Amino acid sequence: DAGVTQSPTHLIKTRGQQVTLRCSPKSGHDTVSWYQQALGQGPQFIFQYYEEEERQRGNFPDRFSGHQFPNYSSELNVNALLLGDSALYLCASSLESRGGGTQYFGPGTRLLVL
Amino acid sequence: AQSVTQPDIHITVSEGASLELRCNYSYGATPYLFWYVQSPGQGLQLLLKYFSGDTLVQGIKGFEAEFKRSQSSFNLRKPSVHWSDAAEYFCAVGAWSGGYQKVTFGTGTKLQVIP
Repeated sequence: DAGVTQSPTHLIKTRGQQVTLRCSPKSGHDTVSWYQQALGQGPQFIFQYYEEEERQRGNFPDRFSGHQFPNYSSELNVNALLLGDSALYLCASSLESRGGGTQYFGPGTRLLVL
Repeated sequence: AQSVTQPDIHITVSEGASLELRCNYSYGATPYLFWYVQSPGQGLQLLLKYFSGDTLVQGIKGFEAEFKRSQSSFNLRKPSVHWSDAAEYFCAVGAWSGGYQKVTFGTGTKLQVIP
């Protein structure tokens, strides 16, 4: 049973560029949540996707956007990158259609913005 | 809005000693509570969770946690720590908002294990 997978594992970008991160949920899961974890901090909720729609959003600017595909996989897009966007980006999947599902995390994508 | 406080940023214990990591939450109703562990450069692994029922929850790797409503706490314990337990531990609270569950994490406690 494959767990949550994320790609790429590491990424280096420069300020102003755009980046796309990808996530495949755990088999059987229908909901994907994205988190940003800065160095030395806990994960901060970015947004959550269910049935291909964003249904919750944390305190992140519109530069952060996402998408969920019919196979439940998801992408996180960040435009106009800032130095402060350097972080570990975590994807978590759950079976929210049953309500209150437990979130299972992928290994993350480490983004460095220079 | 819910919140989680992990008052200890860093804890050092000797191998074989007992461990307790503190977690306090703020939420108006009964929350869902989680403990996750993160090894350096890795994602988060679920140790245990509390949704309802027995307030003493058993998890993987010999960890347990106790939900105490009166103290708004969900402390993580292990009777005998192994060197491989060195990692960062995050407490999280899941709360319902607009029909959806939103999970909020604490800032983490870094555990160092000395021989």
